[in-house]
Amino acid sequence: QQQVKQSPQSLIVQKGGISIINCAYENTAFDYFPWYQQFPGKGPALLIAIRPDVSEKKEGRFTISFNKSAKQFSLHIMDSQPGDSATYFCAASRYGGSQGNLIFGKGTKLSVKP
Amino acid sequence: KAGVTQTPRYLIKTRGQQVTLSCSPISGHRSVSWYQQTPGQGLQFLFEYFSETQRNKGNFPGRFSGRQFSNSRSEMNVSTLELGDSALYLCASTLLALSTDTQYFGPGTRLTVL
Repeated sequence: QQQVKQSPQSLIVQKGGISIINCAYENTAFDYFPWYQQFPGKGPALLIAIRPDVSEKKEGRFTISFNKSAKQFSLHIMDSQPGDSATYFCAASRYGGSQGNLIFGKGTKLSVKP
Repeated sequence: KAGVTQTPRYLIKTRGQQVTLSCSPISGHRSVSWYQQTPGQGLQFLFEYFSETQRNKGNFPGRFSGRQFSNSRSEMNVSTLELGDSALYLCASTLLALSTDTQYFGPGTRLTVL
């Protein structure tokens, strides 16, 4: 019930291509879904987040798509750049709940080739 | 505004020893959370402190403990270290509540247990 499953584990994309990372969750009580980006030697940094009242959220080249009935959400990185090479984590939590700790996916290592 | 700082950045200990890690949150932030990051298990929530009180706790043994001081700085302690405790320990700072505010992560402390 607490798991968040993330795929793929690793991804190689050419510069200018679209990177797509998928996540699925089990707990229907989750209602906050952020994506974090982590570079080597750094802590994760919030990239973009969505709540289930919308099916899509876009910020620059980054888009979250959310499918509540399928309990799935995904991150799309348009026009991928070498500087986007990092590990991406999806997460889920109960917004406004008494326990707001994030449940993370296992991560996707993205490499963007020039 | 300075980010979350963690000290030390690297630690090497032997089995059976204990270790104390320190975290200074972003100025004005009152909630501090701790996560363990390993290649196998990913990012897992340890505990959260707010106003010097533990507010939430993850599924870790009692060897893992923490505390928060009146200036919101936090320490976590691991006693009787095991090889499996080797990990990156991340501290996250939140303004008030885990469940409604963005978590800002520090760079982590890399603990190696020999």
